[in-house]
Amino acid sequence: EAQVTQNPRYLITVTGKKLTVTCSQNMNHEYMSWYRQDPGLGLRQIYYSMNVEVTDKGDVPEGYKVSRKEKRNFPLILESPSPNQTSLYFCASSLFPQETQYFGPGTRLLVL
Amino acid sequence: AQTVTQSQPEMSVQEAETVTLSCTYDTSENNYYLFWYKQPPSRQMILVIRQEAYKQQNATENRFSVNFQKAAKSFSLKISDSQLGDTAMYFCAFLGGTGTASKLTFGTGTRLQVTL
Repeated sequence: EAQVTQNPRYLITVTGKKLTVTCSQNMNHEYMSWYRQDPGLGLRQIYYSMNVEVTDKGDVPEGYKVSRKEKRNFPLILESPSPNQTSLYFCASSLFPQETQYFGPGTRLLVL
Repeated sequence: AQTVTQSQPEMSVQEAETVTLSCTYDTSENNYYLFWYKQPPSRQMILVIRQEAYKQQNATENRFSVNFQKAAKSFSLKISDSQLGDTAMYFCAFLGGTGTASKLTFGTGTRLQVTL
């Protein structure tokens, strides 16, 4: 089944404790992206990747890192999480940037 | 920068009735794509419908159809014969730019409640 997977689905952590949210797609998509969803703000792009080893900042990149060492994986790294990073996070992928993006199931993060 | 506006934070419709969700956007581009995504209580983001700006014909997917008015920069979603399973948050999204400038921009969403 063609899909985007994210792990973990739920995470509670404390301020400053590094964490990684994994994202993987099995559709051989070139383009991958991370979004955060907050009430009243819709989804905002954090980082995106056009291809392996090619990543760039979105609208809200502060406090996040990403890497794209393999085509299928695009992990999101929070080096020192803070409470304002409490949010719902989505990974998405598409064949090319101008194509329809398909979303993972979301990761709900709570930073205490 | 592109902006997407959904002016209806919440809407309600009775089962079997028709409802229209509005979306407007601002862009100087001529070629772009527009989407409606549905987010049910499970939080999954599900593609409902997609429209290419160069196509004059409005996209339809079963009970879902759009009214795309390019000159007015309007992209409304019509849901016919509403069902309880249509209860969800609906996001309008704009995809423009080319290459590295391609970006998907979302509106703030409309929460739709379908009632008996």
